[in-house]
Amino acid sequence: EVQLVESGGGLVQPGRSLRLSCTASGFTFGDYPMSWVRQAPGKGLEWVSFIRIKAYDETTEYAASVKGRFTISRDDSKGIAYLQMNSLKTEDTAVYYCTRALSRGDAFDIWGQGTMVTVSS
Amino acid sequence: EIVLTQSPGTLSLSPGERATLSCRASQSVSSSFLAWYQQKPGQAPRLLIHGASSRATGIPDRFSGSGSGTDFTLTISRLEPEDFAVYYCQQYGSSSWTFGQGTKVEIK
Repeated sequence: EVQLVESGGGLVQPGRSLRLSCTASGFTFGDYPMSWVRQAPGKGLEWVSFIRIKAYDETTEYAASVKGRFTISRDDSKGIAYLQMNSLKTEDTAVYYCTRALSRGDAFDIWGQGTMVTVSS
Repeated sequence: EIVLTQSPGTLSLSPGERATLSCRASQSVSSSFLAWYQQKPGQAPRLLIHGASSRATGIPDRFSGSGSGTDFTLTISRLEPEDFAVYYCQQYGSSSWTFGQGTKVEIK
């Protein structure tokens, strides 16, 4: 079964850091771009970050709202994608979904169950 | 950044009826990189349509997508009870991905 499982969410104070992990199974992880999408409580979906596959030098993209604070990475040998979140703000509070992107990178076909990140003092 | 505007905000329909959801982009969406997702309460979104009109794996044929440029449509031909949910459109272009604000399809 193709599956993504996020971990690492929790309650954190503003200005602190948190690292999310996304463990993949059921497919060849290194063949797919990966992305993070978040959803604030009661709100819509917001794309956060994207990482390409090794053949494209694992280049990364970020939403303007997180650029310079968040870093996406991947470990193909372990089948894990990461989201390092620094200088967290209250507006980063959301459910964070790990997603697998289609090979073209244009849409997200597999989603994890999400992990909640709450930024509050 | 391309802004996607979905309409209506809420669609009240009965099972068996046809649902037509609209997604309008502030600029032309390149190569029809337009997707649709369904989200039910407490669940992750599910990809329905990509490339504007291609159904994702396992999606019933009552779901169809159409459109190009700046105007796109998701049609559910006959609503089943499990189709009542929130639907989002999403575009990709210039290394940026954006979502519409969503359309809620509720039972009338």
